[in-house]
Amino acid sequence: AQSVSQHNHHVILSEAASLELGCNYSYGGTVNLFWYVQYPGQHLQLLLKYFSGDPLVKGIKGFEAEFIKSKFSFNLRKPSVQWSDTAEYFCAVLRLPDSWGKLQFGAGTQVVVTP
Amino acid sequence: GAVVSQHPSWVICKSGTSVKIECRSLDFQATTMFWYRQFPKQSLMLMATSNEGSKATYEQGVEKDKFLINHASLTLSTLTVTSAHPEDSSFYICSATPTSGVHEQFFGPGTRLTVL
Repeated sequence: AQSVSQHNHHVILSEAASLELGCNYSYGGTVNLFWYVQYPGQHLQLLLKYFSGDPLVKGIKGFEAEFIKSKFSFNLRKPSVQWSDTAEYFCAVLRLPDSWGKLQFGAGTQVVVTP
Repeated sequence: GAVVSQHPSWVICKSGTSVKIECRSLDFQATTMFWYRQFPKQSLMLMATSNEGSKATYEQGVEKDKFLINHASLTLSTLTVTSAHPEDSSFYICSATPTSGVHEQFFGPGTRLTVL
C-alpha cells in the first residue's frame, strides 16, 4: 500500500531561519505531488505542486520544493521564514493513473515560527 | 477562481439526529468531489469519492449507511451524517476536482460537527 511520510511532526524555529520539511512516498510509478498549508482556523491551501518537468518547483509565499525521483522525496523549503508561516503543512501524493484522483496525505507537520 | 464552499461552517446537534453538510464548487464544475474527516492534530482521512450522477465510493471502514453522500449536480455534493453520535464529532472537509481534467483538488473551508 502506498504511504506518505512526513518526518517531522513539530518544528519550532525563529524568524529568518531556514525551513525544510521532509516528505517521502512509497509508490514506484508516476505521481503528482503537492504541498498544502493550513493556517490556524483556515482551510487547506495549495502551496505548490509538481506534475512533470523541472523537479524544482516554486510556489506561493517564497516556498519551493524539489522532487527527487530516486529518493521518492518531495521536500519543502523556504530560505527565511516569517511569523506568518506558522501553520500545519501537509504533503500529498496523487498516484497515476489508477488512483481515481484520490490524494494520499502525510500526517502533517506543525510549524511554529517564533518572533 | 476555483472556490469551494461548505455549509454550514459549524453545527451542533443532539445524539440521534441527522445532519446534512453541503459542498459547492462556486466557479467551476466538478466531476468529482471528495469528503474527508480531520481529527484534531491529525491529517485528513479520505471518507469517500463522489462522482456526479453515480453512487459514491467509500473508503474501507467508512459506513456508507451512516455517511450518505449525494452528488446531484456538477457543483453540489452533500454529506449526511445519519443518527449522529458523539464519536462522529469531527471536522469534515470536502474538495472538488474540475471537469477540465486538472489533477488538482480545491478544498472547502470545512464544517465543524459537534454531537452532544
